[in-house]
Amino acid sequence: GAVVSQHPSWVICKSGTSVKIECRSLDFQATTMFWYRQFPKQSLMLMATSNEGSKATYEQGVEKDKFLINHASLTLSTLTVTSAHPEDSSFYICSARDRRTVKGTGELFFGEGSRLTVL
Amino acid sequence: AQSVAQPEDQVNVAEGNPLTVKCTYSVSGNPYLFWYVQYPNRGLQFLLKYITGDNLVKGSYGFEAEFNKSQTSFHLKKPSALVSDSALYFCAVRGWMDSSYKLIFGSGTRLLVRP
Repeated sequence: GAVVSQHPSWVICKSGTSVKIECRSLDFQATTMFWYRQFPKQSLMLMATSNEGSKATYEQGVEKDKFLINHASLTLSTLTVTSAHPEDSSFYICSARDRRTVKGTGELFFGEGSRLTVL
Repeated sequence: AQSVAQPEDQVNVAEGNPLTVKCTYSVSGNPYLFWYVQYPNRGLQFLLKYITGDNLVKGSYGFEAEFNKSQTSFHLKKPSALVSDSALYFCAVRGWMDSSYKLIFGSGTRLLVRP
């Protein structure tokens, strides 16, 4: 089945540093990947849509310069949290759409999530 | 605007009993509907989807869901709950005209199956 690998699973960093999270589709090509943020006991908040070879589309209220997204290949998207602060601590989840699925009908495949803690 | 409502924060059932997790949606045009399950500190796992055709959709782990267009609902069901079904369940919708492929998620329902 379709597998999305997300790395790292856990990361602890000091305030002011930058952290990169990788999202890889292992057995399919993903023209579109999505990045979500999840707060404790809450739903997923879509942060941005990442399209291979083009700039990411950010949701309203999400700082582009804070959350840098790069989708350099059909199997890899990265989220970099720049100059992280404690309020950036959260669970970040990526998902990917198999490019072979018929428009809009395909389910998204999710990574296992990355728990970021900023001290 | 597209939206999904999961009216129950938590559903409690005894093992062996049937379970229902409710979901209603609002979308322009025909909906594509999905159910996902999340275990603690994990990503989301796909359970099932409705795209078109039969209103009763069968998915993974014995779950099924019924699409009801008149009530704009897509409730998740299972005839006999297991303790291992205890998790967080999300309903999601995408409009068929939406070319962005974004999924709109409900707030989630925590299912607790007691032994």
